Amino acid sequence: SSELTQPPSVSVSPGHTATITCSGDILPNKYVYWYQQKSGQAPVMVIYEDTKRPSGIPERFSGSSSGTMATLTLSGAQVEDEGDYYCYSTDSSGHHGVFGGGTKVTVL
Amino acid sequence: EVQLLESGGDLAQPGGSLRLSCAASGFTFSRYVMAWVRQAPGKGLEWVSAISGGGGSTSYADSVKGRFTISRDNSKNTLYLEMNSLRADDTGVYYCANAAGAVLFEYYFDYWGQGTVVTVSS
Repeated sequence: SSELTQPPSVSVSPGHTATITCSGDILPNKYVYWYQQKSGQAPVMVIYEDTKRPSGIPERFSGSSSGTMATLTLSGAQVEDEGDYYCYSTDSSGHHGVFGGGTKVTVL
Repeated sequence: EVQLLESGGDLAQPGGSLRLSCAASGFTFSRYVMAWVRQAPGKGLEWVSAISGGGGSTSYADSVKGRFTISRDNSKNTLYLEMNSLRADDTGVYYCANAAGAVLFEYYFDYWGQGTVVTVSS
């Protein structure tokens, strides 16, 4: 199955740590990418190739991946980190993109 | 600076057609896979289609295969999505995105446009 499963929502207090999981049978031997989407805006990549952070993305964003599970960790969450987060990879053929269902992060 | 500007979104009737365009600038267009990703109102992101840098390879989500056609004109730095036999569940914001590399294999999206809105309703 070419599906990626995420929890629908995660809540975190400011300054605390939030973790978002992404699971799927396609993940072993595949890189995972994470995108942040704030309300009314286009998505922005926050993690690429499982663990790497694009320039301009705060260090509080980190990623890891093992087996069929990838994780996005937000250490010291800020109010401006609220939004929807999507994991992404490609299917076993490598030709079709696959997004997770998205996780709404609330910081309060 | 990379810029992707979508256009062509409109209100269409079920069974109708639309053609979306994405004008690209700020990078060597022919060296990048390009893709369309959509988002239904209040829903998550859905990968729709992608095309290799040279245009010779394409891929489609099962939900649009046989109805949508992706193409590109590298001389005009423009990506297209021809949408036929439109259905209500095609409604949403359509984003174009560029992906690192020209080969349609294990790609991901570096930059996104701001999207164009497609509404399918009678």
